[in-house]
Amino acid sequence: EAGVTQFPSHSVIEKGQTVTLRCDPISGHDNLYWYRRVMGKEIKFLLHFVKESKQDESGMPNNRFLAERTGGTYSTLKVQPAELEDSGVYFCASSHGGRRAFFGQGTRLTVV
Amino acid sequence: AQSVTQLGSHVSVSEGALVLLRCNYSSSVPPYLFWYVQYPNQGLQLLLKYTSAATLVKGINGFEAEFKKSETSFHLTKPSAHMSDAAEYFCAVMVRERDDKIIFGKGTRLHILP
Repeated sequence: EAGVTQFPSHSVIEKGQTVTLRCDPISGHDNLYWYRRVMGKEIKFLLHFVKESKQDESGMPNNRFLAERTGGTYSTLKVQPAELEDSGVYFCASSHGGRRAFFGQGTRLTVV
Repeated sequence: AQSVTQLGSHVSVSEGALVLLRCNYSSSVPPYLFWYVQYPNQGLQLLLKYTSAATLVKGINGFEAEFKKSETSFHLTKPSAHMSDAAEYFCAVMVRERDDKIIFGKGTRLHILP
């Protein structure tokens, strides 16, 4: 069974540019979560999709972040325009029926 | 609201010694509790999970954790550390509702001394 896949693994962009992160969950998993870890701090929840609907987006830092999950399959997280404090590792996770959540390897974003 | 506190951002133990990583949680309702591990350049991997069955939970790679409600703790232990255990470990809590989000602690980096 394929795991949760995230693209790209690394991204370096300049302040003010746009970056789009992608997450492919495990097939059949209705729940998809985005998390972020800023250097030296805890892994923080960003938002939760159930299929294509946003169940909880209380962790989204501001309106520069836009998450979508068209068709309830893969999800994208767009940061526009990126700021220096957006640097960190962005994790995606998926689960089915409230059971164990499987995490991807993360995307390391560096804004310079 | 749920929260997790991990004591010690860095812990060093000698190879072969006991590993003890401390975690205390706060939850208004009975929680699910987890330990995740992140090896260098890899994603988060589930070590073990407590979901209200046995209070002593055994995980992968010889790790185990004990849920102590009276102490609101879920410490992670391993009797004998191995060099390959060097990684960052995260304690996490989830409310026992379907599909709720996981709340992570700040992580503890485990160093193994030869």
